[in-house]
Amino acid sequence: DGGITQSPKYLFRKEGQNVTLSCEQNLNHDAMYWYRQDPGQGLRLIYYSQIVNDFQKGDIAEGYSVSREKKESFPLTVTSAQKNPTAFYLCASSEGTGGIYEQYFGPGTRLTVT
Amino acid sequence: AQSVTQPDIHITVSEGASLELRCNYSYGATPYLFWYVQSPGQGLQLLLKYFSGDTLVQGIKGFEAEFKRSQSSFNLRKPSVHWSDAAEYFCAVGYSGGGADGLTFGKGTHLIIQP
Repeated sequence: DGGITQSPKYLFRKEGQNVTLSCEQNLNHDAMYWYRQDPGQGLRLIYYSQIVNDFQKGDIAEGYSVSREKKESFPLTVTSAQKNPTAFYLCASSEGTGGIYEQYFGPGTRLTVT
Repeated sequence: AQSVTQPDIHITVSEGASLELRCNYSYGATPYLFWYVQSPGQGLQLLLKYFSGDTLVQGIKGFEAEFKRSQSSFNLRKPSVHWSDAAEYFCAVGYSGGGADGLTFGKGTHLIIQP
């Protein structure tokens, strides 16, 4: 079955450590996205990528980094510069870019930093 | 910039009762409208979408939504809710020719079903 996988489901880290969240899709989608979700805040866009080897900052990119070396993969690194990293992170993909394509979501990774 | 407003943060409905969740979007070109549902600790699942044509669209799980251009609204409805409908619901909007950052999401409405 085609879809998006995110691993791990739960992740715990100590403050000051970088951590990388995995996102893989087998839908052959060009575009991929990372969102952060906090209670009452909805989804906030961190980074997005339209094509391999290209990505753009979203609304809250500070303290995060991404790479897009393969079409299927779009890992997110939460760096120690991110002031409040504890959150639920969602990865999504769409067939193309722009506002006319539905997005398909992974199951999410809950990151807790203490 | 495009925006989406979901006026109700929480809604409580009795099981078996009808449901309407509100969604308003900012003015723009012809919008592409979506409703997603999120169960606790899960990703988002698409319920339905509107691109053009008939303004009443049917989705999965017995949901429907009506696009009203004059009111800039795309409200989600269900005639009779089930306990399994308890979840977070997100409305989203996009536009043809819009930015490459994709859809704009509302902040969500948390649906509580009481027995």
